[in-house]
Amino acid sequence: DAGITQSPRHKVTETGTPVTLRCHQTENHRYMYWYRQDPGHGLRLIHYSYGVKDTDKGEVSDGYSVSRSKTEDFLLTLESATSSQTSVYFCAIGQRRGGRETQYFGPGTRLLVL
Amino acid sequence: ELKVEQNPLFLSMQEGKNYTIYCNYSTTSDRLYWYRQDPGKSLESLFVLLSNGAVKQEGRLMASLDTKARLSTLHITAAVHDLSATYFCAVDKTNFGNEKLTFGTGTRLTIIP
Repeated sequence: DAGITQSPRHKVTETGTPVTLRCHQTENHRYMYWYRQDPGHGLRLIHYSYGVKDTDKGEVSDGYSVSRSKTEDFLLTLESATSSQTSVYFCAIGQRRGGRETQYFGPGTRLLVL
Repeated sequence: ELKVEQNPLFLSMQEGKNYTIYCNYSTTSDRLYWYRQDPGKSLESLFVLLSNGAVKQEGRLMASLDTKARLSTLHITAAVHDLSATYFCAVDKTNFGNEKLTFGTGTRLTIIP
């Protein structure tokens, strides 16, 4: 158990509304990631963070922003939700095992945009 | 752009049989990961392969990596129902301390009693 929680676990929202998802970790890991999972696409990286206030874009970052003001929290914001952002969102942390970083995933957030 | 392809996408097999899932990737990398996902659940780390020729085994699952062929395999021996899940491979395309993983689309494995 890598000590990762996500909130909310389920959310239904309407098109055009802002949505913020939270990822919280308890073990002081430097690297945190946000992915989305859609059928036929596997997981795709949205944004990642390599420290407080240090973030960068992944492959599907359009329409998303992130913030990391504390080591333990990594927030993903959909500025104006669209139906194409209906997905399952996973947070991950990078944990060093055997000399290398391995990513461990949170429980996920199911988001439905109507 | 790194592409990661898994095949087959769907696999239905009988208990007791052996089978292999393949993961091909398009650019040079020597770090490959295998994950398992049960329906409605998160991803569980299975194997981390860090060099050419690496082989890892856990129970009835064995993973290997051939970086020259850009190929990893996940071999299932004498399948049991508990192995039914979706399996993902992921490739790290960076050479720094952090990872930027590119995932395959997954192989949904169903073990039939």
